[in-house]
Amino acid sequence: GQQVMQIPQYQHVQEGEDFTTYCNSSTTLSNIQWYKQRPGGHPVFLIQLVKSGEVKKQKRLTFQFGEAKKNSSLHITATQTTDVGTYFCPLEVNQGGKLIFGQGTELSVKP
Amino acid sequence: GAGVSQSPRYKVAKRGQDVALRCDPISGHVSLFWYQQALGQGPEFLTYFQNEAQLDKSGLPSDRFFAERPEGSVSTLKIQRTQQEDSAVYLCASSLKENTEAFFGQGTRLTVV
Repeated sequence: GQQVMQIPQYQHVQEGEDFTTYCNSSTTLSNIQWYKQRPGGHPVFLIQLVKSGEVKKQKRLTFQFGEAKKNSSLHITATQTTDVGTYFCPLEVNQGGKLIFGQGTELSVKP
Repeated sequence: GAGVSQSPRYKVAKRGQDVALRCDPISGHVSLFWYQQALGQGPEFLTYFQNEAQLDKSGLPSDRFFAERPEGSVSTLKIQRTQQEDSAVYLCASSLKENTEAFFGQGTRLTVV
C-alpha cells in the first residue's frame, strides 16, 4: 500500500550543525505535512506543502516539496537543543485527513 | 478550550479491566481521530469521525476497542478486557475540516498490569 519512507531514522548532531531529513513516496502526493514531537510530548503541526517545487521557511527551518510531488525534505540550519525531537512526514490517506505515520527521524542535539 | 484536551492523562488498569478514554476536541472541529502510539514508534491510526459519523475504524486492533462521538464533539475510546499489549499512549487529534492541520491532545498513557 501507500507509504512514505523517511530517512535517516536517527540523527545525532553537535549544536550548531545543520540537519536534514528526507521523505520519499512511491506515489504522487496531493500534499505533505510535517509534524514535530518532543520527547514525552505530542505531535505538533509544523507546515503543509501543496505545490510542486514549493519551498517554505520558518526561521531556521526550510521545507521543500519535490517537483514530482513524491518527496520532501526538512532542513534545519544551526541546530539548537530546542530542536530535539522526532520529525514526522505522515502520509494523508483518502482525503479525509487520516494520517499514516512512519517511525520519523529522531534528532538529538549535543550541546 | 484552547486545544484538544484528553483525560485522564495517565491510567493504570489491571489486565481484564475495562477503560474509557475521553477526548475534548477544539470547538467547531469537524474531524476527530484516535491514534495509538507505542514507545519509540510513530502514532498508528485507530479510527476517524466526521461530526458524529464514524467514517473509518479500520485501525481498531480488535473488537475490544470501541469509539463513539454521539453529539459530534466529545469522543470516548473504550477498551474492554484490557491486555498488556494495549499499553501505549492514546492520542486524540482534531481538525477543522478535511486536509487541514491536525491538532493533537497530550494523550493518555495507558499501562496495563
